[in-house]
Amino acid sequence: EVQLVESGGVLVQPGRSMKLSCAASGFTFSSFPMAWVRQAPTKGLEWVATISTSGGSTYYRDSVKGRFTISRDNAKSTLYLQMDSLRSEDTATYYCTTDQRDWFAYWGQGTLVTVSS
Amino acid sequence: DIVLTQSPVLAVSLGQRATISCRASQSVSISSINLMHWYQQKPGQQPKLLIYRASNLASGIPARFSGSGSGTDFTLTIDPVQADDIAAYYCQQSRESPPTFGGGTKLELK
Repeated sequence: EVQLVESGGVLVQPGRSMKLSCAASGFTFSSFPMAWVRQAPTKGLEWVATISTSGGSTYYRDSVKGRFTISRDNAKSTLYLQMDSLRSEDTATYYCTTDQRDWFAYWGQGTLVTVSS
Repeated sequence: DIVLTQSPVLAVSLGQRATISCRASQSVSISSINLMHWYQQKPGQQPKLLIYRASNLASGIPARFSGSGSGTDFTLTIDPVQADDIAAYYCQQSRESPPTFGGGTKLELK
């Protein structure tokens, strides 16, 4: 059974940094591109970033370019999202998901990031 | 970015058919491949893939769910609606980067 378990979400002040993790199991992690998708409270879904199977290629939405870094450790079957210079508009539940190049097949339960002073 | 427009709410009776629409600001089809996908999200839960490439049922999804459409207009149909189907439904396109989602349609009981 595919499992994606996110962690690291907390309350953080604007301008600070934090790092999310996503532990994967039940599938060959190194064979799948992975992505982060977020959802602000009571709002819709928004793609954040994608990383290729090797980690050699990364893609970001414009609003997080230069502030967020997606990475992966295939030996540990773990996906990461380093978030710097956080803003109030980054407040959301962040979901780890498998990126099938077209659709997002499997999703974690999400981790809540709150950016507030 | 490609904008996907969905009606915010759809009220339906149990046992009836629900038709949820999604309109794209430009075509999301390439030749015969329709790059539109559908997700279900129940309150407090993560999204779940229902339909990929407009009409293909994801693994484990009941046959009462179906998808259709091409170009800019797509439909998710639930027939018949069951109590367990009360949720929000999102469309998503992968024709162009960034991948974008519709605003979601909340399926409610009449």
